Amino acid sequence: QMELQQWGAGLLKPSETLSLTCAVIGGSFSGYFWGWVRQPPGKGLEWIGDISHNGDTSYNPSLKSRVTISVDMSKNYFSLKLTSVTAADTAVYFCARHRIGVVNWFDPWGQGTLVTVSS
Amino acid sequence: EIVLTQSPGTLSLSPGERATLLCRASQSVSSSFLAWYQQKPGQAPRLLIYRASSRATGIPDRFSGSGSGTDFTLTISRLEPEDFAVYYCQQYGGSPPVTFGGGTKVEIK
Repeated sequence: QMELQQWGAGLLKPSETLSLTCAVIGGSFSGYFWGWVRQPPGKGLEWIGDISHNGDTSYNPSLKSRVTISVDMSKNYFSLKLTSVTAADTAVYFCARHRIGVVNWFDPWGQGTLVTVSS
Repeated sequence: EIVLTQSPGTLSLSPGERATLLCRASQSVSSSFLAWYQQKPGQAPRLLIYRASSRATGIPDRFSGSGSGTDFTLTISRLEPEDFAVYYCQQYGGSPPVTFGGGTKVEIK
């Protein structure tokens, strides 16, 4: 049973860089994309971007200039960096396996990390 | 961008009743690329339905999905107490390639 465990700093000041990491435990890292989705408090879900096991990335155009997703296959980790954060980036950030191909879904998901941006 | 509009925003029903949730896309979506998720407070979303009508592993058969083109439906045949939650549809295609609907909250009447 695959599990995703994520971690990272939960409180940032404006203009700082958000950094989160997600570990893939108990399953194959290859053959899938690995994504990040965020959810502002009380609001809906927003896709941030994906990375494949070999490093191919796809980003939401609304965030592309500030987002970098990377992968460390030796550790089965993938990471998110979001630069120049503002209060609008306050959200719960989720990592998830993203199946892309003949079907499309996100499963499983990490537990989520609340990131608050405040001065 | 393909915009997914979910209705109603809130559905107030009693346990045992049938729930019908709608997801309308601003342009045609491949059924292969339409999924539904359930989210409870403080938890991550959980995949319920993929390919518009296929139940994910471990999902009870009271959950069913249907639809094609721009109109998709999630039906819960008989609500159990644990089904009261927020439900999201998600599509893949266009730019950005992934978008989610705004969600439907199913609450206890």
